Amino acid sequence: NAGVTQTPKFRVLKTGQSMTLLCAQDMNHEYMYWYRQDPGMGLRLIHYSVGEGTTAKGEVPDGYNVSRLKKQNFLLGLESAAPSQTSVYFCASSYHRLEADTQYFGPGTRLTVL
Amino acid sequence: AQTVTQSQPEMSVQEAETVTLSCTYDTSENNYYLFWYKQPPSRQMILVIRQEAYKQQNATENRFSVNFQKAAKSFSLKISDSQLGDTAMYFCAFNLQGAQKLVFGQGTRLTINP
Repeated sequence: NAGVTQTPKFRVLKTGQSMTLLCAQDMNHEYMYWYRQDPGMGLRLIHYSVGEGTTAKGEVPDGYNVSRLKKQNFLLGLESAAPSQTSVYFCASSYHRLEADTQYFGPGTRLTVL
Repeated sequence: AQTVTQSQPEMSVQEAETVTLSCTYDTSENNYYLFWYKQPPSRQMILVIRQEAYKQQNATENRFSVNFQKAAKSFSLKISDSQLGDTAMYFCAFNLQGAQKLVFGQGTRLTINP
């Protein structure tokens, strides 16, 4: 049981390049999330998904797109990377319940945009 | 909008001492959940403890306990018999019931000295 995994662990992009971050979970969780963490700040929600085929905007969605084609995978895309998107990106997942449930996090991806 | 504030950017204690990390939050809602996450140098976000707002009893997990003061909107974390492995960033987080979106504080960097 690997939990939540993220690919890649590190990446360096040039301004204007595109890339996709992959998140996978093997816990059969309905909900999945993408956060970014900047120095001196807590995590901020970019996008989330409440089930296969659904996505929704979080607190800081601009410049990112997401897709949830399979229940176990949640992709985060950057179409045209900007230096402001230099950050550490975390994926998380949780069960669907009427009450809040614990979010389990992946190990993070450190992205640098030059 | 809900906000979470951690007023102590850094703390440092000696091994085996007890340390308390502060967290306050702001919400007009009555049903919510509070969490403490630990982020060691590996960057992995690890759940330390969770508290449901409707429960009056403070949550406890081994050496970790919370002091939940709902009226004061305060949620502090106490670490007893601190260990070197407790060295990490600690984040307080808030989640409205049914919202499934965590709001994080800025974090407290805790160092346990030998």
